[in-house]
Amino acid sequence: GEQVEQRPPHLSVREGDSAIIICTYTDSATAYFSWYKQEAGAGLQLLMSVLSNVDRKEEQGLTVLLNKKDKRLSLNLTAAHPGDSAVYFCAVSATGYNQGKLIFGQGTKLSIKP
Amino acid sequence: GGIITQTPKFLIGQEGQKLTLKCQQNFNHDTMYWYRQDSGKGLRLIYYSITENDLQKGDLSEGYDASREKKSSFSLTVTSAQKNEMAVFLCASSPLTNSGNTLYFGEGSRLIVV
Repeated sequence: GEQVEQRPPHLSVREGDSAIIICTYTDSATAYFSWYKQEAGAGLQLLMSVLSNVDRKEEQGLTVLLNKKDKRLSLNLTAAHPGDSAVYFCAVSATGYNQGKLIFGQGTKLSIKP
Repeated sequence: GGIITQTPKFLIGQEGQKLTLKCQQNFNHDTMYWYRQDSGKGLRLIYYSITENDLQKGDLSEGYDASREKKSSFSLTVTSAQKNEMAVFLCASSPLTNSGNTLYFGEGSRLIVV
């Protein structure tokens, strides 16, 4: 079955710097890619999602890149601020009948230093 | 907007005890999920349900039962609590579509086994 690896597990950057989180996946049939943010003591919230026909998506200081050849998904936070401190998860799935089964990465704890 | 409510927020039980977590959603979503979150391991799917009275096993269903008696609620039972099962359990729901799948999460229930 699908395997998702996320790195790094911990990331610390200075306020105003950029942060990059990467996920790799194994199943070439994967068609839906998403990033979630989990703040302390809370559930996960969707940040951005893309389908497999999209290579790049930018929204509000976040950039998602999808490299289907290398089976790699990345999240780039530009100009990090303290409110970005959280745990970030990638999540992927097939479409169709199995689209309900999101497979999550292991998570990246992002800390923003002043 | 809607909300997902998980109860209780903390569940303390003894080893071998049968323990139940409850989840309610008012999004009117068809699909509901139970995930287990362990530090450093991401989220792992225990059970999901695509409609009332439906149950689908996830990757981690052994040792758990689930019940979806009505569309708005999904409960998870730990059949015999073990100390290595202490984790955060996250409930989610989603409107199943043909173009990807956004999950809406509750805040989680922490299981403590003494």
